[in-house]
Amino acid sequence: KAGVTQTPRYLIKTRGQQVTLSCSPISGHRSVSWYQQTPGQGLQFLFEYFSETQRNKGNFPGRFSGRQFSNSRSEMNVSTLELGDSALYLCASSQQERRAGELFFGEGSRLTVL
Amino acid sequence: KQEVTQIPAALSVPEGENLVLNCSFTDSAIYNLQWFRQDPGKGLTSLLLIQSSQREQTSGRLNASLDKSSGRSTLYIAASQPGDSATYLCAVRGNQGGKLIFGQGTELSVKP
Repeated sequence: KAGVTQTPRYLIKTRGQQVTLSCSPISGHRSVSWYQQTPGQGLQFLFEYFSETQRNKGNFPGRFSGRQFSNSRSEMNVSTLELGDSALYLCASSQQERRAGELFFGEGSRLTVL
Repeated sequence: KQEVTQIPAALSVPEGENLVLNCSFTDSAIYNLQWFRQDPGKGLTSLLLIQSSQREQTSGRLNASLDKSSGRSTLYIAASQPGDSATYLCAVRGNQGGKLIFGQGTELSVKP
């Protein structure tokens, strides 16, 4: 069974640009959540989607947005990039037959903003 | 507001030693707690998930315990090996479900 797949793995952008990251969950998983990891702040929750609906949102500015498609794949977008957006962005999926199942993470997308 | 703390931040041990990693949380109203491992530059690998009604979970050389009333969890690693070297993270999920709150992690180094 394939794990959580994130693309691209690495990307470099400049300030002011925008970026879209993609996440394909484990087959059969309907919940996808996104986290940002930085050396200073650690792992912080961005948002969670279930059946194409955003169920939870973290304390990030509106420049950070996401969506989920009918096949459970998810994308997140960051507009008007800032230097501080440089981070490892991690996607996780879970089966939500029970509300709080085990989370499985992908390898992440490492974003560098110059 | 839930806060998760992991002590120590870093730990170095010789191969073969048994060790304990600690995780504490401020709000005992949790739904579950999950332990992860992260290798440098990689994503998170799930190790153990403990539901709030459980006291412990075991997988191979790993044993995780949960004491909700005191806001503590421990991860016990038996007979440590150099391949266990990684950062170990604990995360809790509140009763409302949804997001995980992570600790800052314990960086473990097992010396041959």
